[in-house]
Amino acid sequence: AQSVTQPDIHITVSEGASLELRCNYSYGATPYLFWYVQSPGQGLQLLLKYFSGDTLVQGIKGFEAEFKRSQSSFNLRKPSVHWSDAAEYFCAVGAIGTGFQKLVFGTGTRLLVSP
Amino acid sequence: DAGITQSPRYKITETGRQVTLMCHQTWSHSYMFWYRQDLGHGLRLIYYSAAADITDKGEVPDGYVVSRSKTENFPLTLESATRSQTSVYFCASSLYNEQFFGPGTRLTVL
Repeated sequence: AQSVTQPDIHITVSEGASLELRCNYSYGATPYLFWYVQSPGQGLQLLLKYFSGDTLVQGIKGFEAEFKRSQSSFNLRKPSVHWSDAAEYFCAVGAIGTGFQKLVFGTGTRLLVSP
Repeated sequence: DAGITQSPRYKITETGRQVTLMCHQTWSHSYMFWYRQDLGHGLRLIYYSAAADITDKGEVPDGYVVSRSKTENFPLTLESATRSQTSVYFCASSLYNEQFFGPGTRLTVL
C-alpha cells in the first residue's frame, strides 16, 4: 500500500527566507503526487500536482516541487516566504485502484513564519 | 454559490447519540470522500463514493455509515457517537484526481 512520510512536524522560517518541506512516498510505480495547504480553520487547497513529465512542477502562490524518483521524494519549495504562508502543508499520493482518485495523506508539516 | 459545503460547521453531541454530517457539492463530480483530521494523524479516509449508490470503506470506517442517493449529496452518519469520534470532518469531491475540500465540521462528543 502507498504511504507518505512528512518527517518535519513543525518548521519555522523567517519571512523572506527560502523554504523546503520534505515529503517521501512509498509506491513502486510512477506515483500521482500532490501538495495541499490548509490555513487555520479552513479546508485544504491544492498547491500543485505531479502526474508525469517534467519533474519540476510549478504551483500556485509561488510554490514549486521536484519529483525525484531515486529518492522517492517530492519536496515543496518556495524561494521567499511571506507571513501569509503560515499554514499546515500536506503531501499526498494517489492510491492505486479507483484511477488514483483516492489519496493517502502525510501527517502534515506546520509552517511558522517569524518576522 | 458553486462549490462544496458542509453542515453544520460545529456540533456538540453526547455519547450514544446519532449524528449526521451533511455534504453538498454543486459541480456534479463523480467521486466524493469523507475524512477525519486528528492531531498527529493528518487526514484519514473514512468512506468514499465513486458515484450515486456506490460507496466503499476507507481506512477508518468503523462506527460510520454513508449513503449517496444523489450525486450532489454525501451524508455521513455516526450511528452511536463515541468520544473517540471527536474530530474535524472534511468532505471532498474529485475531478481528474484533484480533490476539492469543504470547510469542515468540528464535532465534539461529550
